[in-house]
Amino acid sequence: AQKITQTQPGMFVQEKEAVTLDCTYDTSDQSYGLFWYKQPSSGEMIFLIYQGSYDEQNATEGRYSLNFQKARKSANLVISASQLGDSAMYFCAMREGRITGGGNKLTFGTGTQLKVEL
Amino acid sequence: DSGVTQTPKHLITATGQRVTLRCSPRSGDLSVYWYQQSLDQGLQFLIQYYNGEERAKGNILERFSAQQFPDLHSELNLSSLELGDSALYFCASSVQSDHLGTGDPTDTQYFGPGTRLTVL
Repeated sequence: AQKITQTQPGMFVQEKEAVTLDCTYDTSDQSYGLFWYKQPSSGEMIFLIYQGSYDEQNATEGRYSLNFQKARKSANLVISASQLGDSAMYFCAMREGRITGGGNKLTFGTGTQLKVEL
Repeated sequence: DSGVTQTPKHLITATGQRVTLRCSPRSGDLSVYWYQQSLDQGLQFLIQYYNGEERAKGNILERFSAQQFPDLHSELNLSSLELGDSALYFCASSVQSDHLGTGDPTDTQYFGPGTRLTVL
């Protein structure tokens, strides 16, 4: 089974509208972290937002918020007031297990290409 | 700017050759991770080093090797290159500490700009 599933290969949104990018995950660990990264056409990977498995509140960072539904194993990214500069590929990623100095690799989904239109 | 630097930005080489990709982590980060991004495989974890020691290995080919030096910079060596090795190679770094409660509790990985490798 895929550990991270992003079912929307592409999304369109109008400028100033909100958009939700879906992400579901699969893990048997109790402790894990979920991340969203943005990859513009220039190629770099930009960290956007983090949600820990024990966090009771949904994470927010400026126009980004994470809709964390633990029972459903979903961690959807919500971008409010979309801007043209938000056009990019968005990746959901998971780190499983505790931060103990051991291997803390990220497992990535296949990404969602977001296009913001005027 | 994430604070992670990678050189070179672009690399074009021929099949059978060997290349070295270099990464300098953010100041204070002890962990370095290498990832490969290709069209068919997506983003895949290759290997992690923590303070000079290998900590985790992913889908890294035997033709590939890496190391982390005392100054914490890391190098990824790719040898006997094949056409299929063409990809974007990312280095990422994080604080990661052995002591719970210190450093960054999220252990967020910050990515460098990547090295685009083209094998002809």
